[in-house]
Amino acid sequence: AQSVTQLGSHVSVSEGALVLLRCNYSSSVPPYLFWYVQYPNQGLQLLLKYTSAATLVKGINGFEAEFKKSETSFHLTKPSAHMSDAAEYFCAVSSSNTGKLIFGQGTTLQVKP
Amino acid sequence: EPEVTQTPSHQVTQMGQEVILRCVPISNHLYFYWYRQILGQKVEFLVSFYNNEISEKSEIFDDQFSVERPDGSNFTLKIRSTKLEDSAMYFCASSVFPPGNNSPLHFGNGTRLTVT
Repeated sequence: AQSVTQLGSHVSVSEGALVLLRCNYSSSVPPYLFWYVQYPNQGLQLLLKYTSAATLVKGINGFEAEFKKSETSFHLTKPSAHMSDAAEYFCAVSSSNTGKLIFGQGTTLQVKP
Repeated sequence: EPEVTQTPSHQVTQMGQEVILRCVPISNHLYFYWYRQILGQKVEFLVSFYNNEISEKSEIFDDQFSVERPDGSNFTLKIRSTKLEDSAMYFCASSVFPPGNNSPLHFGNGTRLTVT
């Protein structure tokens, strides 16, 4: 069975500060990992995905994530937060033989001026 | 960029009534999904659909739920007799291939279902 745990339901950073959103996964097969962002009253938008190529994955809006198998982690980072980054962020895992995504509980990112 | 569109954006219904949530996936996509998010909870998988049949469904997707692709463009989720606990945001998604094959899901903006 697969699962995802996002540490911290709320993260608050100052504008310009480093953003770090934590995600740990559990999977009995090589995982495919995703980060999605949800802005208020909108759907889920893909930020980036890991599919067993490079372990450091770059996504949209300056975000990146590093797959660390030894730590079963896929943390999302951005060097400098913008006010527009305020949203809810979801980590998700999938296996190669199903189309089902298992989501974490989400982390709300607040960016303070 | 092509989008997944969902209608209506908000649906209010009385307990026991049937409701149909509608989705138009991206035109060249072959795999279709419904997810839901109860307020304050995780996004949960409901069902996946490929080649006009259900590929996989969760334990949430009981006999009260059904999906259909009636005309080659729409993808619908029907709840036959709504319950209060069906109140949630329902997301439709589509992909060219299953997500594991380097083909991510594209989500619609969701339909907020409120059962009173």
